[in-house]
Amino acid sequence: DQQVKQNSPSLSVQEGRISILNCDYTNSMFDYFLWYKKYPAEGPTFLISISSIKDKNEDGRFTVFLNKSAKHLSLHIVPSQPGDSAVYFCAASDRDGLYSGAGSYQLTFGKGTKLSVIP
Amino acid sequence: GAGVSQSPSNKVTEKGKDVELRCDPISGHTALYWYRQSLGQGLEFLIYFQGNSAPDKSGLPSDRFSAERTGGSVSTLTIQRTQQEDSAVYLCASSTGGGRSRTDTQYFGPGTRLTVL
Repeated sequence: DQQVKQNSPSLSVQEGRISILNCDYTNSMFDYFLWYKKYPAEGPTFLISISSIKDKNEDGRFTVFLNKSAKHLSLHIVPSQPGDSAVYFCAASDRDGLYSGAGSYQLTFGKGTKLSVIP
Repeated sequence: GAGVSQSPSNKVTEKGKDVELRCDPISGHTALYWYRQSLGQGLEFLIYFQGNSAPDKSGLPSDRFSAERTGGSVSTLTIQRTQQEDSAVYLCASSTGGGRSRTDTQYFGPGTRLTVL
């Protein structure tokens, strides 16, 4: 049972345009969501996160939106740059125990979306 | 400062052999995690260390998998009698921990690509 789903294996975007990466989850206990970026032969690098008590978090060119009722989050990159070309992983956890009363450090990852930004 | 390092970067072994994978976390990080990524899959949690103890081993797929951590620093993941389905990239991460590790950002190493022939 895949609790975090990234249904688009790949995405191509023109440089300067917006990239939108999507992620869906099924576990209602998740209260913290993250995006990691991964270049070939490197480990995932933390990009941005959002708590379930918010619906938007912005950091420079990167914005994450959370729709709890739809169990959906998205990462927007504006404007997209060729250096953004990488695999993006969505991850979730029950970090704060908001719904479970417990809290956990385990991250559950999606399968990733490969973003290609075309110059 | 230095990030998380892992060795070897690549390991090819024959089915049935034992392998050891090493992780050096960021200096001062008390929490350490092992994940693996099989082909076409997301990262899968294996085990978590707080200091030298492993309060959560729930992700280890079988008793052929074990891990230890010494001196609150280096960790070794051992796979005994390797099988072809063990082929994956094994990733280590660390965080500052200190009793609130679940709120800390996990920083990943580059991974060890294990191929079992």
